[in-house]
Amino acid sequence: QQPVQSPQAVILREGEDAVINCSSSKALYSVHWYRQKHGEAPVFLMILLKGGEQKGHDKISASFNEKKQQSSLYLTASQLSYSGTYFCGTGGNQFYFGTGTSLTVIP
Amino acid sequence: DSGVTQTPKHLITATGQRVTLRCSPRSGDLSVYWYQQSLDQGLQFLIQYYNGEERAKGNILERFSAQQFPDLHSELNLSSLELGDSALYFCASSFRLAGDLGNEQFFGPGTRLTVL
Repeated sequence: QQPVQSPQAVILREGEDAVINCSSSKALYSVHWYRQKHGEAPVFLMILLKGGEQKGHDKISASFNEKKQQSSLYLTASQLSYSGTYFCGTGGNQFYFGTGTSLTVIP
Repeated sequence: DSGVTQTPKHLITATGQRVTLRCSPRSGDLSVYWYQQSLDQGLQFLIQYYNGEERAKGNILERFSAQQFPDLHSELNLSSLELGDSALYFCASSFRLAGDLGNEQFFGPGTRLTVL
């Protein structure tokens, strides 16, 4: 039931782009994205509610393909502040986070 | 600051003991989720309450129980503790009942439990 994310880890230089993928074996009605910095609580980034929907948050955006049961998070022109672990999540009352992707941005 | 508070911040105890973790949701939020985060398991959903009623259960052990009180704060009780229960425990709150779509969740700072 836990969504699977790829890659597990990625290292970027400032200004580079990254894509994080999230796949589910169950039907998806919505996908959440959260970022967790080391030693801190997860912080909400965005929810995608419809198949094919794309949302943006500053230079972070995401897409949701309901048919393929997948979502992707796009980070463009990465900044040092983007470092952290990114989790997708899905479900309603019973909520499941993905396996996580550790993203490190270096100068 | 998410507006969600958790106490205590750290807890060190011995195997076999019982502890209670406390969570106060954001003002106005009716829904509380509990999660366990350990190094090898990621963020695991334990249980959810909405306005005092249990609404969903995840991977919660029988040794664990929770409740949400009329003032909407919630407590997670962990008993007969084992070494493997050492983890970071988060609660999160949201305004509405999630249904199928889910709602934005606001996380507390977590309680780090160490079982020796």
